[in-house]
Parts: sequence; structure tokens; C-alpha cells
Amino acid sequence: GAVVSQHPSRVICKSGTSVKIECRSLDFQATTMFWYRQFPKQSLMLMATSNEGSKATYEQGVEKDKFLINHASLTLSTLTVTSAHPEDSSFYICSARDPGRKYGYTFGSGTRLTVV
Amino acid sequence: QQQVKQSPQSLIVQKGGISIINCAYENTAFDYFPWYQQFPGKGPALLIAIRPDVSEKKEGRFTISFNKSAKQFSLHIMDSQPGDSATYFCAASGAGDYKLSFGAGTTVTVRA
Repeated sequence: GAVVSQHPSRVICKSGTSVKIECRSLDFQATTMFWYRQFPKQSLMLMATSNEGSKATYEQGVEKDKFLINHASLTLSTLTVTSAHPEDSSFYICSARDPGRKYGYTFGSGTRLTVV
Repeated sequence: QQQVKQSPQSLIVQKGGISIINCAYENTAFDYFPWYQQFPGKGPALLIAIRPDVSEKKEGRFTISFNKSAKQFSLHIMDSQPGDSATYFCAASGAGDYKLSFGAGTTVTVRA
């Protein structure tokens, strides 16, 4: 089946620094990837949609200069949290859509970000 | 504004019992309705999904019931097992932008 690899699984960073999270589709080419944020005991909230080779589309209220998304290839998308603050601490999850299947979404295993 | 409303927020069921989770939606453009299972610290995993042209879909102990006129769908977990203890999310998507709208989630606890 389709596999999406997300790294790192956990990261702790100091306030003011930047952190990069990678999301790779291992056995299919993902033209579209989605990035979600999930706070404890809450649902997944879509942050942005990235299409290979074009700028990401951000959801309302998501700071595009703070959450930089790059989808430079059909198998890799990255989310960089810039100038991280403790309130950015959350669980970040990517999802890749397999264009060969109309609704072929595969989720990564998530990244727990803690900003201290 | 949450496009998919899910209830209950949590439920406790005895081993062997039936867990039922309900979801409702408003956007008639939705044509894909998946259910995801999520364990703590993990990403969600697709459990079962349905399209609106069928009223029921069963895979093992998991069944989706879909009522297009009422714009509601539900997940039934039969013969619930302790390993089913997890958070379940319903979701919906349409072909326009393929974005998934998630429900708030239901934490299911199966007592042995």
C-alpha cells in the first residue's frame, strides 16, 4: 500500500529557532500534499495545501511567513516552522494524495514539536 | 466553522459490545466519507470509507451506514475489542479541492 514517511517523529527546539519537518511519499508521486496541526485531544486542522512546483495555499488564519511549505518534488514536501515559539508546540501531520486514486490520501506518522 | 459534526465526544463500551459514532454534514458537494482511526502519538489511518451511491459498507467488524437524504453517516464497530481503543474521526471531501474536513473526533474506550 501507499506509504508516507514523515521525519522527525519528535523534535525539541529553543524558542526563536526554526525547525524543518519532511514528508516523503515512498511509492507514489504525490502531486498534492496537505499539512495539518493537531492540538491535544482536538481534531486535525488543515494548515495548507501544497502542489508540486507551485506555491502553497494556506488556510485562513495560518501565517504563511511563519509556516514555510516547499513542495519541490513529486515525493517530498517540507514544512519549516520559523522563529518558533512555545505556542507553536503541537503535533504536525502531513498527508499525500495519490493522483492515481481519486481519494487516495495517505497520512504520515506525525511530528511532535515542542518549543522550549 | 466545522463542516462535519461528530458525536459523541467519547464513549465507553464493554468488550464484545457495539460502538456507534455519528456524523452529519451540510455540504452536498461532498462525495467521499472516510473514517480514520488514530492512536496516541500516531498519524490517522484509514479505517473504511464510503461514497454516496451506497447506503452501507462493511469491512470485517466495521460498518459505515450512509443516509444521503439526512446528510448523516455513522460508524459501527461490532464485537469491540480492547485494541479498538483509539480516537476515531469522520471526514468528508469533495472533488473540487480534495480537502478533507474532519469531525471533532470520538475517543472510544473498550473495557475488557
